Amino acid sequence: QKEVEQNSGPLSVPEGAIASLNCTYSDRVSQSFFWYRQYSGKSPELIMSIYSNGDKEDGRFTAQLNKASQYVSLLIRDSQPSDSATYLCAVPGEAGGGNKLTFGTGTQLKVEL
Amino acid sequence: NAGVTQTPKFQVLKTGQSMTLQCAQDMNHNSMYWYRQDPGMGLRLIYYSASEGTTDKGEVPNGYNVSRLNKREFSLRLESAAPSQTSVYFCASIPLTGLSYGYTFGSGTRLTVV
Repeated sequence: QKEVEQNSGPLSVPEGAIASLNCTYSDRVSQSFFWYRQYSGKSPELIMSIYSNGDKEDGRFTAQLNKASQYVSLLIRDSQPSDSATYLCAVPGEAGGGNKLTFGTGTQLKVEL
Repeated sequence: NAGVTQTPKFQVLKTGQSMTLQCAQDMNHNSMYWYRQDPGMGLRLIYYSASEGTTDKGEVPNGYNVSRLNKREFSLRLESAAPSQTSVYFCASIPLTGLSYGYTFGSGTRLTVV
């Protein structure tokens, strides 16, 4: 069983700052990683996916992957109050395993005015 | 495009009652999943269906059964509800091409067992 670990937070940042969210995983086979955003009382929505070592940028979001260190992070630049949510890291399960995702418990982000 | 539709959105059951949570997707997706989400526990996989006609257990299958009725629909049944099954249940799906675009989630069913 793959473990995915995240700091539960809350992580508080001022508006306009960079928010850094981290995720570690215990399996070395994973090829792809996902970040989901979940607003309170809502369902998770995909915001970033990353497959290769290095950085992937999409607007204000940057995902960083280091497979050797089994570490994936999400940076949110120019944080806005609307970014306040819980961010879930997700890692696929074993090869041939039905494309199952294992989720971390999530990091709650609070962007303060 | 409705995406993934779950019914009901809210439900209160008494211990021992049974019910079926419904999930339907209109995206021609191949694989479907049922997760439960509890505070501090994250999303945990209950059952999944990799393709029409197949179902498999996930991490926490005890107390649940599933039916992949057709390619569109994947239902989750609680035969005898217990307070430990109080949770938010999410259905999700992915296309035949796999996880390239991640899961598409339904809006969830909030179940309380008293």
